[in-house]
Amino acid sequence: GDSVTQMEGPVTLSEEAFLTINCTYTATGYPSLFWYVQYPGEGLQLLLKATKADDKGSNKGFEATYRKETTSFHLEKGSVQVSDSAVYFCALSVPGYGGGNKLTFGTGTQLKVEL
Amino acid sequence: EAQVTQNPRYLITVTGKKLTVTCSQNMNHEYMSWYRQDPGLGLRQIYYSMNVEVTDKGDVPEGYKVSRKEKRNFPLILESPSPNQTSLYFCASSLSFGTANSPLHFGNGTRLTVT
Repeated sequence: GDSVTQMEGPVTLSEEAFLTINCTYTATGYPSLFWYVQYPGEGLQLLLKATKADDKGSNKGFEATYRKETTSFHLEKGSVQVSDSAVYFCALSVPGYGGGNKLTFGTGTQLKVEL
Repeated sequence: EAQVTQNPRYLITVTGKKLTVTCSQNMNHEYMSWYRQDPGLGLRQIYYSMNVEVTDKGDVPEGYKVSRKEKRNFPLILESPSPNQTSLYFCASSLSFGTANSPLHFGNGTRLTVT
């Protein structure tokens, strides 16, 4: 079956540090890949996505590149802020799956950014 | 404002007492879904609906019911809650299904405790 593996958290960084959150996947078809972010007390929000190999998704200074050869979609940001503190979820969706927009999520990685 | 609204935000109940968590979206979305979020397990899909009167099971449907009588509403029903249903629940919707270009919009969650 489809699965997503994320690095364990929490990840604690100082403000302006470089962020990498690793994500790898296994999928039966050709998946689309997503990063969602969950701020405290809120639901998940789509942060970025990539739908084919070598695509780079980007938003709010975050980037992730779809690497089919390594089945990875690592999230990066060059300089994190305290306001980036949240839980980050990597997810995949296989087009045409009978369940429509079913997303398979990783377990989430909590990021804490300190001054 | 486009949104997915869940109620209540917090609910404490006792084993066996029927409850309903409501979900409503104002975006005229066809697809709606329920997830539960548990530590170390990420988000798992409970049920989904591709349109009015069309619902199907997700990965963890046992102990839950849903209905989709109107396009905007998708309530989650626990007929006889048990402590293992203590969790954080999210409702989500999207414009269509079967495509990665129709992102999910999430509600702010309902934290349910069953004693």
